[in-house]
Amino acid sequence: AQTVTQSQPEMSVQEAETVTLSCTYDTSESNYYLFWYKQPPSRQMILVIRQEAYKQQNATENRFSVNFQKAAKSFSLKISDSQLGDTAMYFCAFMKHVGTSGSRLTFGEGTQLTVNP
Amino acid sequence: GAVVSQHPSRVICKSGTSVKIECRSLDFQATTMFWYRQFPKQSLMLMATSNEGSKATYEQGVEKDKFLINHASLTLSTLTVTSAHPEDSSFYICSGRGGADTQYFGPGTRLTVL
Repeated sequence: AQTVTQSQPEMSVQEAETVTLSCTYDTSESNYYLFWYKQPPSRQMILVIRQEAYKQQNATENRFSVNFQKAAKSFSLKISDSQLGDTAMYFCAFMKHVGTSGSRLTFGEGTQLTVNP
Repeated sequence: GAVVSQHPSRVICKSGTSVKIECRSLDFQATTMFWYRQFPKQSLMLMATSNEGSKATYEQGVEKDKFLINHASLTLSTLTVTSAHPEDSSFYICSGRGGADTQYFGPGTRLTVL
């Protein structure tokens, strides 16, 4: 079974600064996906970024980027130029690749990020 | 991005009644949909996986007779909480599996059972 660990229950950052959220996972799979989702106070889960394990290049989406270290089973999220709207719970998630049948997501416990003005 | 809607967003019901929650994928076809439950300040807990046209697969500890799931079309899945009790009060979230094996989530339904 897969496990996902987010060791930082809460973090805070000043507006315009950079913050990194950590995530580690455990799996015996070689082909899988990793995701970061954010859940703002509205509780709508929003996809932030997606990484395919076979790709060595780290995924980026505007101000969001990841540091994917496959051997270390680490998948951290860096948020640059933090904005007040980034305040949310951030969940790291793992999904093994099973082709067309799809698979469940395994979520970490979440990190509550607060961006301070 | 892919959009998933849920209805209703909030529902309050009396103990013993049944409540149906709808989950629709608006701009993509979701052969697989997922239902989650989330308690305050906690992570999402997968309840069941539903595939269009077949029976749902429930996670261990989830009562399939209490949480009825129907996935009758490629864009609609429903969760019916039967004979609801106060302990069923929670936030229920659905998701649809879209392109590139990515799950897109609905906005959630807050259920309160009195």
